[in-house]
Amino acid sequence: DTAVSQTPKYLVTQMGNDKSIKCEQNLGHDTMYWYKQDSKKFLKIMFSYNNKELIINETVPNRFSPKSPDKAHLNLHINSLELGDSAVYFCASRGGLAGDSEQFFGPGTRLTVL
Amino acid sequence: KQEVTQIPAALSVPEGENLVLNCSFTDSAIYNLQWFRQDPGKGLTSLLLIQSSQREQTSGRLNASLDKSSGRSTLYIAASQPGDSATYLCAVETSGSRLTFGEGTQLTVNP
Repeated sequence: DTAVSQTPKYLVTQMGNDKSIKCEQNLGHDTMYWYKQDSKKFLKIMFSYNNKELIINETVPNRFSPKSPDKAHLNLHINSLELGDSAVYFCASRGGLAGDSEQFFGPGTRLTVL
Repeated sequence: KQEVTQIPAALSVPEGENLVLNCSFTDSAIYNLQWFRQDPGKGLTSLLLIQSSQREQTSGRLNASLDKSSGRSTLYIAASQPGDSATYLCAVETSGSRLTFGEGTQLTVNP
């Protein structure tokens, strides 16, 4: 029944490892996003995909690579993890690109890099 | 570059009080403004979305206003309850479907 789901909920890993976070939405939305919430709780957009096409890439290090196999999924792969990557990562979706629809957020993935 | 500021950063009130949360943004060229609620360890829940052509939106005990020209929005919560305790985030959408968030107001409603 969950609208936007993410896996895993928690991820603890060592510096230098590569990890992926998965996101799925069952709302039939066209647009999906990844946001990063740092330790000060500040939310910043990272990427956005519309119909599997990248439309926002917000000066994120190229160690981060989003992949959208279909409209319902947007995964985030992170290479060579660094301590500063520790944060909560949120996936979101909305119907279309127009400014009249709200974004729906997933529960977040708390990433801890040791 | 769009910047969003929320005041106060934290607010503690007794149950039943009416309260106002403030949000300001630097660039008035927005498509909409959204208010979200975030509970500890949880994701964001959308409360209200005000389109740039609108002045206010209401949902139950919540009322949000938007003054685009002055770059301000307020979220009014009537008859606050302990269950309203959460962090409230304001976000504006600009071109390219970007949401820019404020840092939030942490609200505690004491029974």
